Amino acid sequence: ETGVTQTPRHLVMGMTNKKSLKCEQHLGHNAMYWYKQSAKKPLELMFVYSLEERVENNSVPSRFSPECPNSSHLFLHLHTLQPEDSALYLCASSQGITGVSDGEQYFGPGTRLTVT
Amino acid sequence: QKEVEQNSGPLSVPEGAIASLNCTYSDRGSQSFFWYRQYSGKSPELIMSIYSNGDKEDGRFTAQLNKASQYVSLLIRDSQPSDSATYLCAVTMYSGGGADGLTFGKGTHLIIQP
Repeated sequence: ETGVTQTPRHLVMGMTNKKSLKCEQHLGHNAMYWYKQSAKKPLELMFVYSLEERVENNSVPSRFSPECPNSSHLFLHLHTLQPEDSALYLCASSQGITGVSDGEQYFGPGTRLTVT
Repeated sequence: QKEVEQNSGPLSVPEGAIASLNCTYSDRGSQSFFWYRQYSGKSPELIMSIYSNGDKEDGRFTAQLNKASQYVSLLIRDSQPSDSATYLCAVTMYSGGGADGLTFGKGTHLIIQP
């Protein structure tokens, strides 16, 4: 595997379900991100992790719960979602050390989520 | 509230011509600027980054930055039908890296006409 991978690629879930999205990066980076892309709206930052610590939570509802067990893996746990949460969820990674990296973020293929 | 503005298009350009994409940003403290290309149904792909005023060239792509005017642009020379995509402008506060989320514009839909 190379780059950033995400699973599953497509997910349909009911509003009472619990599911998790997985992201893995093979780039040796130490910062990982979750973004949401909805139709007609710009890509929205959800969470930022640096060296496995959450450094930013962009006012995301608690029904979205991130987890970063190590610098290569990132999860997004989902529960009691709403239909308006249907979107493309994108994971990205970067070399997040100030003064060392160039800040470039590389995206995975995304998970297309549909909430019914 | 950090904002990044782009004309949504569509911007239609004949094959072989120069495509010019523009972006303005509201936060004067922004330090790093990126252009991503996104094909329909795919994820964003990084094509250019720029950090200081002036031009940066990479193949057929040239990024231009003017921090005084809070303006970033992307020029695509010798446009090809395969360049047809949505181009996203993104900015961040950090210089020299660091873990900072990107603020994106809505993107410009570019169509290259054969």
